Amino acid sequence: EAQVTQNPRYLITVTGKKLTVTCSQNMNHEYMSWYRQDPGLGLRQIYYSMNVEVTDKGDVPEGYKVSRKEKRNFPLILESPSPNQTSLYFCASIPRVTGEGMNTEAFFGQGTRLTVV
Amino acid sequence: SQQGEEDPQALSIQEGENATMNCSYKTSINNLQWYRQNSGRGLVHLILIRSNEREKHSGRLRVTLDTSKKSSSLLITASRAADTASYFCATDGRTSGTYKYIFGTGTRLKVLA
Repeated sequence: EAQVTQNPRYLITVTGKKLTVTCSQNMNHEYMSWYRQDPGLGLRQIYYSMNVEVTDKGDVPEGYKVSRKEKRNFPLILESPSPNQTSLYFCASIPRVTGEGMNTEAFFGQGTRLTVV
Repeated sequence: SQQGEEDPQALSIQEGENATMNCSYKTSINNLQWYRQNSGRGLVHLILIRSNEREKHSGRLRVTLDTSKKSSSLLITASRAADTASYFCATDGRTSGTYKYIFGTGTRLKVLA
């Protein structure tokens, strides 16, 4: 089954304790992205990756890191989490970005609800 | 902000009625998509309409696109309780060399049985 898998689904952590949220897709997609969803603000892009070893900042990258060492995996790293990073996080992937833009449906993971206390 | 806006923010209807929600966006687009999100879960793709299309149908869904007004609408006909969810429009924003979907703020639809 084609899917994007995020882990963990729920996480409560303390300020400053490094954590990683994993994202894996089994569709051989080139493009992967992380979003955070906050009430009243919708989904905002954190980082994206056009392919292996190619990553770039989205709208709200501060406090986050990513890596893309393999095509299927795109982990989100919070080196020193703070309470303002409490949010619902989504990973998404599409096959590739073409000259027509991002013209295919995005596949989303089930989300990771992170609470930083 | 580059975000789009959905209207209304919330909608409550009876089962069997039609639900219409609207989306406005700010930049030129290649395509516009609609997604559904069940409470706190991942987004599921519903339909994609390209910038050169004006209307598209998929089952009980009808989407229109007016690029001159930078707006789109999603119509769900003969709604069911299972349609209760949040609905988001997303445009492919290619600005300043970044590649991302720009999501609207969503419409919360509640279908009463």
